[in-house]
Amino acid sequence: SYVLTQPPSVSVAPGQAATISCGGINIETRSVHWYQQKPGQAPVLVVYDDTNRPSGIPERFSGSSSGNTATLTISRAEGGDEADYYCHVWDNDSDHHVFGTGTRVTVL
Amino acid sequence: EVQLVESGGGLVQPGGSLRISCAASGFTFSNHWMVWVRQAPGKGLEWVASLNQDGSMMNYVESVTGRFTISRDNAKNSLSLQMSSLSTEDTAIYYCVRPDVRSASWFDSWGQGALVTVSS
Repeated sequence: SYVLTQPPSVSVAPGQAATISCGGINIETRSVHWYQQKPGQAPVLVVYDDTNRPSGIPERFSGSSSGNTATLTISRAEGGDEADYYCHVWDNDSDHHVFGTGTRVTVL
Repeated sequence: EVQLVESGGGLVQPGGSLRISCAASGFTFSNHWMVWVRQAPGKGLEWVASLNQDGSMMNYVESVTGRFTISRDNAKNSLSLQMSSLSTEDTAIYYCVRPDVRSASWFDSWGQGALVTVSS
């Protein structure tokens, strides 16, 4: 089945940009979605279809995808952005949804 | 406002069964595929099962196939997951999730989750 690989952790200084990668074979041919999960809370969609933000999600969150890597970028990181982030695709070969391994973002 | 409220979680012995449910409100339930996603303690997200609008198409992650059954009652705006032959590896928070109405590709609404603990 399709596999999505993320770095376990990313650290960023306040005000700087954090980039979270999501690796998958030819991922650029798939639609990638991203979720933010804070401790004790349900996940929240922050980017869908590679680059789109749901209403209410700050412009600081942006997504891109090329080749075998999709990327979520958090510009001007804030303490409130500390969370786990997951990428997600629909694998139409297996009719399964697939999540990435998750990345914990720490704002130092 | 979209609301998804899970119920029925609890402690069950290995080999036992449990049914969890999700009450949906604030949207036209019958227009959406619906999904269950789980998260084991300290672990990542795992898709479990999906069900189409009229309940005629469903798919499951391999680890639950033959043991779990997803179902829905559109008249009651309700989604269920019947779980049997439970093992300790099924211990997790189970989230009721609404995919987007257009493509059922991304998950735009999540419940707060139901904790299922499988232990003797």
